[in-house]
Amino acid sequence: ETGVTQSPTHLIKTRGQQVTLRCSSQSGHNTVSWYQQALGQGPQFIFQYYREEENGRGNFPPRFSGLQFPNYSSELNVNALELDDSALYLCASSRAGPNTGELFFGEGSRLTVL
Amino acid sequence: QKEVEQDPGPLSVPEGAIVSLNCTYSNSAFQYFMWYRQYSRKGPELLMYTYSSGNKEDGRFTAQVDKSSKYISLFIRDSQPSDSATYLCAMSAGTGGFKTIFGAGTRLFVKA
Repeated sequence: ETGVTQSPTHLIKTRGQQVTLRCSSQSGHNTVSWYQQALGQGPQFIFQYYREEENGRGNFPPRFSGLQFPNYSSELNVNALELDDSALYLCASSRAGPNTGELFFGEGSRLTVL
Repeated sequence: QKEVEQDPGPLSVPEGAIVSLNCTYSNSAFQYFMWYRQYSRKGPELLMYTYSSGNKEDGRFTAQVDKSSKYISLFIRDSQPSDSATYLCAMSAGTGGFKTIFGAGTRLFVKA
C-alpha cells in the first residue's frame, strides 16, 4: 500500500455533467500529479500541483482543472463531461527535491460517462 | 511520434523464464527512469527507479538504461505466475516526479 487514497472508487455520470475526484497524498509528500488512463493504455499526464500551484500540465483542455490544499490533498475537476472522458483517473504523490523521481499511486477513480 | 514507445504485447512465457521488457524514447532531457507494475483494476506500483544511465538490480529484477541509444530495459529472472501483470515504463526530465511520461504498458502472462 502506498498511503495514497482516492475517492470515489467508481462513479457514473452523463455527458455534460461535472465531476470532482479527490486524493489524499502519502505522508511527507508535497507534490500531487493526476493521470488519465484509458482502457489498455498507459497513464496520460494531466497536471501536477506543488505548494498549491499548478506545476506543469499535459495536453488536456481547460475543462480539466485542479486544486491542492495546504495539507497537500488534491482535487481534480472535470466540466462538461464527454464520452471520451471515461477512464481510470489516477492520483500520484511524490516528494520534491533532488533525485526524487518516484511517483506513488492510489488505486484510482473509475469514471464512466454515459 | 510518441515520446515513449513500448510494445503492448501480450507477452506469454513459461514459469522460470527470463523476461525482457523494453522501451525507447525520443526526449534526450529525460533523466529519471522507472518501471511500474500494474495488476488488473489496481493503481501502478513502483518496481525500479534509476537516475541517468546504468544498471540497477533488486532481487529478480534488473533495470538497464542506455541514454546514448535512448533505450531502457527491465529483466525479470525466474519469472513466476504472480509476475503476470502490465509493466509500464516511465520517465521524467525533472525531480519530484515532474511531468512523468508513461509508455503504453506491456501485458505479461507467466504460465505455470
